[in-house]
Amino acid sequence: QSVLTQPPSVSGAPGQRVTISCTGSRFSIGAGYDVHWYQQLAGAAPKLLIYGNTNRPSGVPDRFSGSKSGTSASLAITGLLAEDEADYYCQSYDSRMTDWFFGGGTRLTVL
Amino acid sequence: EVQLVQSGAEVKKPGESLKLSCKGSGYTFSNHWIVWVRQMPGKGLEWMGIIYPGDSDTRYSPSFQGQVTMSADKSISTAFLRWSSLEASDSAIYYCARSLSEGAAGYWRGVDVWGQGTTVTVSS
Repeated sequence: QSVLTQPPSVSGAPGQRVTISCTGSRFSIGAGYDVHWYQQLAGAAPKLLIYGNTNRPSGVPDRFSGSKSGTSASLAITGLLAEDEADYYCQSYDSRMTDWFFGGGTRLTVL
Repeated sequence: EVQLVQSGAEVKKPGESLKLSCKGSGYTFSNHWIVWVRQMPGKGLEWMGIIYPGDSDTRYSPSFQGQVTMSADKSISTAFLRWSSLEASDSAIYYCARSLSEGAAGYWRGVDVWGQGTTVTVSS
């Protein structure tokens, strides 16, 4: 069982809104540790999308937003574009395992 | 421009040693943590460990403790990942990445600049 659980896949049509969940535990997200999100386009290195649960680095469109509640976090993408098709990973710390973890990744398909 | 440039692809045999490099430029290398991440073929990202070049404070993920050695030479702004004896299961893409923030706070803030990745193939 993964420390951080993400749905394997999500999909949406251009222009729609999708959300990707990241479920942790009382030892990770629920303990107050920050969640970071990364986008990995096919064949490319990952890119930081959201840090500290809700913050966007400069250059990341405001179509991407992050939230956190209890033991879970979510990444929302509005106004879907074909170029958003990628794998998305959440990341957080687990105090029981005393280590950082990535979620298993979610593949976003733009229909 | 802030960037991390990794060494080129490697093809090795089981039992051989290997050392990958990750050279930073455009920022004060000593002040940002460097993270190493493994991505096996067709799989997700795995956190291997983290090193602070300023004082070489290194923390390994339990899954990789004893399997690899991380080091950094701040005089040449380069971090390294080393294996003493490769196995076929070490075949993967290895990424280095820089912490978003400087200093101790950077440990908690995510990573914002990634290297291009180094593909390692271990096969007899």
